Amino acid sequence: QKEVEQDPGPLSVPEGAIVSLNCTYSNSAFQYFMWYRQYSRKGPELLMYTYSSGNKEDGRFTAQVDKSSKYISLFIRDSQPSDSATYLCAMSENSGGSNYKLTFGKGTLLTVNP
Amino acid sequence: DTEVTQTPKHLVMGMTNKKSLKCEQHMGHRAMYWYKQKAKKPPELMFVYSYEKLSINESVPSRFSPECPNSSLLNLHLHALQPEDSALYLCASSQFQGFGWGYTFGSGTRLTVV
Repeated sequence: QKEVEQDPGPLSVPEGAIVSLNCTYSNSAFQYFMWYRQYSRKGPELLMYTYSSGNKEDGRFTAQVDKSSKYISLFIRDSQPSDSATYLCAMSENSGGSNYKLTFGKGTLLTVNP
Repeated sequence: DTEVTQTPKHLVMGMTNKKSLKCEQHMGHRAMYWYKQKAKKPPELMFVYSYEKLSINESVPSRFSPECPNSSLLNLHLHALQPEDSALYLCASSQFQGFGWGYTFGSGTRLTVV
């Protein structure tokens, strides 16, 4: 079983839809949970990060972490064509001392159709 | 300045060539990273520099040689590459190596080895 599982999609939705993106993980040592957005031919851009179980909201984006189920989600409300990108979940664990190791999911390709 | 700048954006090189990728940041970050990303795959960690010293080498072949001349610059020297090394090479930085909740990525160098 891979440490981080993410459905690669592709996911296609109409403009204005609510989008739900998900990742599951098996490593209980993961402490930080992040979502990156990557436009085609660009580097990943950090959208949100969370530490504890629960919800964190930023504008149209809500990140949700359920540590007991080892499950994280990103919700996008009122999706826009500009949200079309690949969304990567990422998680980090302490790899010794003050160092952390980042593990990415495979990414989900999202297309929002006008 | 909140960016990581990578040059060149595109590079085509023959298997006998020597070339270098350059990465620059002026955010005062003390950790810098090289990642390799193949199409439709997540980024894979290659090297980590912490305070200008090589901290992690993820068993990368010696045809890839990193260099950190100062706290703002990171280079990746390439020599005798293979066609399978063609990929998007991403540079990232973070405040320090223990900054487990996210990095700032550059837009990458798209490398094609012919």
